[in-house]
Amino acid sequence: DAKTTQPTSMDCAEGRAANLPCNHSTISGNEYVYWYRQIHSQGPQYIIHGLKNNETNEMASLIITEDRKSSTLILPHATLRDTAVYYCIVHNAGNNRKLIWGLGTSLAVNP
Amino acid sequence: EAGVTQSPTHLIKTRGQQATLRCSPISGHTSVYWYQQALGLGLQFLLWYDEGEERNRGNFPPRFSGRQFPNYSSELNVNALELEDSALYLCASRNRGGGNNQPQHFGDGTRLSIL
Repeated sequence: DAKTTQPTSMDCAEGRAANLPCNHSTISGNEYVYWYRQIHSQGPQYIIHGLKNNETNEMASLIITEDRKSSTLILPHATLRDTAVYYCIVHNAGNNRKLIWGLGTSLAVNP
Repeated sequence: EAGVTQSPTHLIKTRGQQATLRCSPISGHTSVYWYQQALGLGLQFLLWYDEGEERNRGNFPPRFSGRQFPNYSSELNVNALELEDSALYLCASRNRGGGNNQPQHFGDGTRLSIL
């Protein structure tokens, strides 16, 4: 599986949009981009995923560039409860490849 | 619908002992993944099971092993425990029947401490 690169940390004001970038320049054609978040010592929580089209659900929006080498997770109105570590991974369960998780982005939402 | 459940929540062992961690996937999910997360670090992929078969394993020594049972629950066994095995061990399940793009859903982990 392809590796991903994310900023180590980001800050966001409460009520503003949080835009979290992820680079996955070695993504292969059939790999999906997944976003998860982990709140202190809990298991990661699935947020959203996509292949090449932009996706939106009740939690967030996912913007994938046309060349698929990068993506952005958007939390439209960040709250204090969105403070967490956000992970971006690329994977296709049809490929028997190891899953590689980076260190993620530690997002701090400030009042 | 019950989520992924892991037991025990906490486990304390001493060096050289053996540990068994258990995972029950979401009902209907046939794939199980195991991860190790040392304090302050990201997730390290350990093992992946599909329909009872091992699909892949991460870069861990053979003393880390596991299995998946016919009911799709899974065990992770760690032999000859070392101090650096202290970590949060996370299990995730996935609905393989839903297609290759189905996401993983995680339990809250087992905190293994080696004294």
